[in-house]
Amino acid sequence: DGGITQSPKYLFRKEGQNVTLSCEQNLNHDAMYWYRQDPGQGLRLIYYSQIVNDFQKGDIAEGYSVSREKKESFPLTVTSAQKNPTAFYLCASSIGRTGEFRSNQPQHFGDGTRLSIL
Amino acid sequence: AQSVAQPEDQVNVAEGNPLTVKCTYSVSGNPYLFWYVQYPNRGLQFLLKYITGDNLVKGSYGFEAEFNKSQTSFHLKKPSALVSDSALYFCAVRDVYNFNKFYFGSGTKLNVKP
Repeated sequence: DGGITQSPKYLFRKEGQNVTLSCEQNLNHDAMYWYRQDPGQGLRLIYYSQIVNDFQKGDIAEGYSVSREKKESFPLTVTSAQKNPTAFYLCASSIGRTGEFRSNQPQHFGDGTRLSIL
Repeated sequence: AQSVAQPEDQVNVAEGNPLTVKCTYSVSGNPYLFWYVQYPNRGLQFLLKYITGDNLVKGSYGFEAEFNKSQTSFHLKKPSALVSDSALYFCAVRDVYNFNKFYFGSGTKLNVKP
């Protein structure tokens, strides 16, 4: 079955430590996204990538970094500069705009990684 | 700026009764609107979308949504609620200038009581 796989499901970070969250998709989607979810605040966009080797900052990019070396993979690194990293992180993908029809498709989401501070 | 708003943090309904979860939007041009559902510790699942055409859109699990251009609303409805419908619901709109960006509402928690 095609889908998005996020790992690990739970992750703990020590002070001053960088951690990397994995996101892999086998949907052949061009666009991929990282969102942060906090209680009562909905989803906030961290970074997104429309194509391999390209990515853009979202609304809350400070303290995070990403790479997009392969179409299937979009890892997120939470750096020590992110002072409040405790949250639920969601990865998503979409077909991407390659024609009006394809641009009408929704996003697909992984099952998230819950990051906590030790 | 483009956005969606979900005015209710929580909606309570008895099983078997109709439910409505509200969403209003603000976009320039024709909106592309979506509803998603999230169960605890899971990702979002797509329910339905409005692109163009009929104002009543049917989706998964018996849900439907009514698009109202004059009221800039896209409310999610179901004729008869189930306890298993209890979850967090998100409305989203696609950026009309950058089709690869989406904006989400803050979410509405639906509680269906037996």
